[in-house]
Amino acid sequence: SYDLTQPPSLSVSPGQTASITCSGDQLEDKYLCWYRQRPGQSPVVVIYEDNKRPPGIPERFSGSNSGNTATLTISGTQPMDEADYYCQAWDSGSGRFFGGGTRLTVL
Amino acid sequence: QVQLEESGGGLVKPGGSLRLSCVASGFTFSDYYLIWIRQAPGKGLEWVSYISGSSFNVFSADSVKGRFTVSRDNAKKSLYLDMNSLRADDTAVYYCARGHTSGAYYGEYWGQGALVTVSS
Repeated sequence: SYDLTQPPSLSVSPGQTASITCSGDQLEDKYLCWYRQRPGQSPVVVIYEDNKRPPGIPERFSGSNSGNTATLTISGTQPMDEADYYCQAWDSGSGRFFGGGTRLTVL
Repeated sequence: QVQLEESGGGLVKPGGSLRLSCVASGFTFSDYYLIWIRQAPGKGLEWVSYISGSSFNVFSADSVKGRFTVSRDNAKKSLYLDMNSLRADDTAVYYCARGHTSGAYYGEYWGQGALVTVSS
């Protein structure tokens, strides 16, 4: 087992930068992705392999992973970014691990 | 485009069985790892199981090992999850997701989910 810890909630004002953290022991040794889940919808990956953005994901989404902490950064946060965000890590073995999720409120 | 559609969810009594299916389109099905991920009502995501394109590599989480079996039929472009000895804490929306050709690293594309409710 491997624990990933996220803050349960984060509130930002429109236009501000939102930084959502994900912490785990030696997390930098694993690959990380981030999902966005809007209410009533399926998760969508917004960052994969620590800092890569899939097609169609706005440039304001970025990611980093260093030491024991990974960070999803949303620059110029918009009301449409309000959602639950989950980190997920994987390694060379079969382990796949989710963080508990962070509810981002944009108000 | 890539599409995944789950079916087979429903209400089942504790100790009962259920089979979930996921039909895929928009990609070469047999090339990709496929994944089952679940989400209990109001809770976070939990990795359940995955299977490689050839069905050679299979993984199940400890919470379902011995009770759930993942399989696929590449000719039918379908993924399955056979769930036995169901318990109340298996109640969740079950999502199928597509991984990569080289591994089930993360869910690149997701279906809309199928709700499984275990209750007497």
